Amino acid sequence: GDSVTQMEGPVTLSEEAFLTINCTYTATGYPSLFWYVQYPGEGLQLLLKATKADDKGSNKGFEATYRKETTSFHLEKGSVQVSDSAVYFCALLKGAGSYQLTFGKGTKLSVIP
Amino acid sequence: GAVVSQHPSRVICKSGTSVKIECRSLDFQATTMFWYRQFPKKSLMLMATSNEGSKATYEQGVEKDKFLINHASLTLSTLTVTSAHPEDSSFYICSAMLAGVPHPYNEQFFGPGTRLTVL
Repeated sequence: GDSVTQMEGPVTLSEEAFLTINCTYTATGYPSLFWYVQYPGEGLQLLLKATKADDKGSNKGFEATYRKETTSFHLEKGSVQVSDSAVYFCALLKGAGSYQLTFGKGTKLSVIP
Repeated sequence: GAVVSQHPSRVICKSGTSVKIECRSLDFQATTMFWYRQFPKKSLMLMATSNEGSKATYEQGVEKDKFLINHASLTLSTLTVTSAHPEDSSFYICSAMLAGVPHPYNEQFFGPGTRLTVL
């Protein structure tokens, strides 16, 4: 079945550090890929997405590129802020006809001043 | 746009009672809504898919008689936890999908979640 694997956290970084959160997936066909962010006590918010190979999703300084050859969708940000502290979930949505998201286990990021 | 609300945000109840959680799409119509359960430090577990006007589809291992889902309109789905027990304590999150938007442009919009504590 489909699955998403994220690097285990927690990840603790100093402000302005470079962030990478690895995400790889297993799925047949051509899934769409997503990063969601969950701030403490809140639901999930879509951070960025990519719907086909080589697409780059970007938002709020975060980027991720859909790499089909490596089945990856790593999240990156050049300079993190304290306000980026949250849990980040990688997810995939399988192709046409399916509406179910498959989530990774989440990676908690803590950014310290 | 595309805002999803949940009510209540927090609820505490006694063991054996029933609790209803509402999920509303505020500014769009949603033919499909999803209910998730999130355990501490874990990912979201899909419980069921709710389609307006029809019975919900439950994931394997989810008791449909315990977690009653009703999707009576294009903007409202409810989850009722019946005869709640302490092990039902969790964070419940709903999401809604825009009606009529084709893949891959359809997207799930998530509610803020409901924290259920059963004493």
